[in-house]
Amino acid sequence: NAGVTQTPKFRILKIGQSMTLQCAQDMNHNYMYWYRQDPGMGLKLIYYSVGAGITDKGEVPNGYNVSRSTTEDFPLRLELAAPSQTSVYFCASREEGGFGANVLTFGAGSRLTVL
Amino acid sequence: TQLLEQSPQFLSIQEGENLTVYCNSSSVFSSLQWYRQEPGEGPVLLVTVVTGGEVKKLKRLTFQFGDARKDSSLHITAAQPGDTGLYLCAGKKSGNTGKLIFGQGTTLQVKP
Repeated sequence: NAGVTQTPKFRILKIGQSMTLQCAQDMNHNYMYWYRQDPGMGLKLIYYSVGAGITDKGEVPNGYNVSRSTTEDFPLRLELAAPSQTSVYFCASREEGGFGANVLTFGAGSRLTVL
Repeated sequence: TQLLEQSPQFLSIQEGENLTVYCNSSSVFSSLQWYRQEPGEGPVLLVTVVTGGEVKKLKRLTFQFGDARKDSSLHITAAQPGDTGLYLCAGKKSGNTGKLIFGQGTTLQVKP
């Protein structure tokens, strides 16, 4: 199993450009999450999804959009990149219930720089 | 405002020393987790504590959940260079579809 796969690992954007961060999981997890990590700030939840076709906002959704057309994929889109979106982005997934409901599996992260 | 406050934020110690990292909140959590993150990687779950007063051990690491389920601590005995990394606590509040609230993290450096 690959677990949670994020692409790209690194990207530099110019202000105002758009891009999509890809996230795919092969564990058949219903719950998926996007976090951003800034130095000294821990992880902040951007968006999450409890299943295909269902998404909801987290703590810091402004400037981002998501979609969940399949169980496997949960892409994060930045429409008009701003320097404040410079961060490391992590995608994570978990099972819906049982013991696995307590275990978040994270991807390796995508480092985005907006200049 | 940080809902979960971790302290200290940075810790640099010599191999063999003991250390404790604290995770405090004014909110009650249904469970609390500790993660360890290495550079260039995502966080990896170390432990989940659920019951107030619960103590869990993972080799040289001891985790405790406060009696009121508002705080937690991570104690490392005889730290090794391999313990170096970023330690994150994360609290889960009941009834919020499993969303976790993360602390700011504690960066630990263990020098040989």
